[in-house]
Amino acid sequence: GAVVSQHPSWVICKSGTSVKIECRSLDFQATTMFWYRQFPKQSLMLMATSNEGSKATYEQGVEKDKFLINHASLTLSTLTVTSAHPEDSSFYICSASLGHNEQFFGPGTRLTVL
Amino acid sequence: KQEVTQIPAALSVPEGENLVLNCSFTDSAIYNLQWFRQDPGKGLTSLLLIQSSQREQTSGRLNASLDKSSGRSTLYIAASQPGDSATYLCAVRPGAGGTSYGKLTFGQGTILTVHP
Repeated sequence: GAVVSQHPSWVICKSGTSVKIECRSLDFQATTMFWYRQFPKQSLMLMATSNEGSKATYEQGVEKDKFLINHASLTLSTLTVTSAHPEDSSFYICSASLGHNEQFFGPGTRLTVL
Repeated sequence: KQEVTQIPAALSVPEGENLVLNCSFTDSAIYNLQWFRQDPGKGLTSLLLIQSSQREQTSGRLNASLDKSSGRSTLYIAASQPGDSATYLCAVRPGAGGTSYGKLTFGQGTILTVHP
């Protein structure tokens, strides 16, 4: 299957700083990438849908100025958590899809904000 | 709004048992349904994808069925092994049209423990 990577796999930062997470599709060009958030022992919650070259579409309740998404190319999307606070600590997972086919998920990024 | 429910929430079985995980969804207008496996602290691994026109898919010891009209899917694991221990998630993708197209809705997952 297709491979999706995320970097970093984990990050610890101080409150108030910004953190950037990268999502890459390694062996295919992804027309669409998705960003999810997962709290401990809970399922995945879709945060936003990202299409290459256009603005991301955010789900209801997700602050677009807080979670900046850039989809600069067909193989890279980035999520920047701005002015991070402890409540932003979570497991962030991206996925990528080609056309209308299945989504392939990255390994996730564990964010801890002190 | 699509809602996906998985039963049971947790399951503990001895090695070798055959088991069934259940997934139900409220809106039958789906494009496909996927079953995933998630190990603790890891991402998702896709196990099986069933298109809306299909009834089942098989991969090794795994078999997933889909009854779209009744909004149900089951994941059957044959001859379970300790290495099967993980959280299993099902997710549905809505049909074409509308703003939700392409977006997966996940169930809460079933935590499976297979003990030796």
